[in-house]
Order: sequence, then structure tokens, then C-alpha cells
Amino acid sequence: DAGITQSPRHKVTETGTPVTLRCHQTENHRYMYWYRQDPGHGLRLIHYSYGVKDTDKGEVSDGYSVSRSKTEDFLLTLESATSSQTSVYFCAIRMTSGGIYEQYFGPGTRLTVT
Amino acid sequence: AQSVTQLGSHVSVSEGALVLLRCNYSSSVPPYLFWYVQYPNQGLQLLLKYTSAATLVKGINGFEAEFKKSETSFHLTKPSAHMSDAAEYFCAASRDQTGANNLFFGTGTRLTVIP
Repeated sequence: DAGITQSPRHKVTETGTPVTLRCHQTENHRYMYWYRQDPGHGLRLIHYSYGVKDTDKGEVSDGYSVSRSKTEDFLLTLESATSSQTSVYFCAIRMTSGGIYEQYFGPGTRLTVT
Repeated sequence: AQSVTQLGSHVSVSEGALVLLRCNYSSSVPPYLFWYVQYPNQGLQLLLKYTSAATLVKGINGFEAEFKKSETSFHLTKPSAHMSDAAEYFCAASRDQTGANNLFFGTGTRLTVIP
């Protein structure tokens, strides 16, 4: 357990509404990530952060923004949700073990956009 | 960027039979490789990782994986399947010593264990 929580765990929203997902960690890890999981695609990186106010885009960043104002929280925002953003969203943190980096995942948020 | 291919989106085995889940990577430089397991409605749990220290890697729950550079493969095996092994398995790769070490995932293999 890497001390990662995600909120909400489930959300249903309407097309065009803004949505913010929260990832919270308790162990002061520098790197945090947001992924989305879709059938047939595995997990794909949306955005990641390498420190407070330091973020970068991943493979599928269009339509998403992120913010990290303090180490423990990494927020993912869908400015205007679309049905294509219906997915399960996972947050992850990076730890070092045995000299290499490993990622540990939160429990996920299931988002449905109607 | 890394590319990871998992052959077979669904694999079914009988309880007690050998489990073999296939993963190939595409990179001229061997990446760090990982296997994750996802049980229904849960997050991903790290099963094992390849770090170049040994080509045969043992993980949790009796799983192991062998890195074969000549075949660019990192297949996951378990000698005897248990019902509790039913889950989705993801292979992932990363190779970035100076950056974020972002993970690139395969599309996953769902393992069904038949009693």
C-alpha cells in the first residue's frame, strides 16, 4: 500500500460539464501520474507531475488539464466532459526499489459521461 | 517510445495447469519491464520486474518471468494455476534514466481459470 487515495471513486456526469478528479498521497513522492484505462488499450498516460507546479503531457492529454499545488495532491480536470472520456482513471506514484523506478497505483475512479 | 505487445487478450487454463502469458517489447535497448495484475474492480498490483540483474525473475503469488533479449520477450508463467489467479495481467516497459520513466503498457490479457 503506497498510501494513495482517489476521489471520487465513482462519478456520473453530463456532457459539457467540468469534472475534477483528485489523487492524494501520504508519502511525499515527487512523481505522480494520471492514466486512463479502456478496453483494448490497456493504460495510457494522460499527464504526469515531477514536482509542485511541474507537470507534463502524456500520450492522451487532449481534453485534460492537471494541477499540483502541493506535493500530496495531483488533480485531473476535464474542462468540458465528453462521452469519449468515459473511462477508469488511475493515479500512480513513483518509488525507487532495488535501484529502479516502480509505479504504484491508486484504486481508480470510474467516470461515466452521459 | 516503448511499445509493448501482449499476445492473446484472453487466456483460459484449467486449475492446476501451466499459465503462460506472452509479452514482447520493441526497443533496441532493453527496457525495464514489469508485470502488473488487476483483480476485478481494483487497481494494479506489481507482480514482478526485470532489472537486468537476472534474466529469470520471481514475483509474488508463484509467478515468474524470463527475459529473453534475443526474442525481445518477457513472458509470465506460473506452473500451476489457482482459481485466485483469475484476473487481468498487464505487461509494461519503461526506459528513461533521466526523465519520468513513464510506463508504456500492453493491452492486457484476461486470465480465466476453469475449475
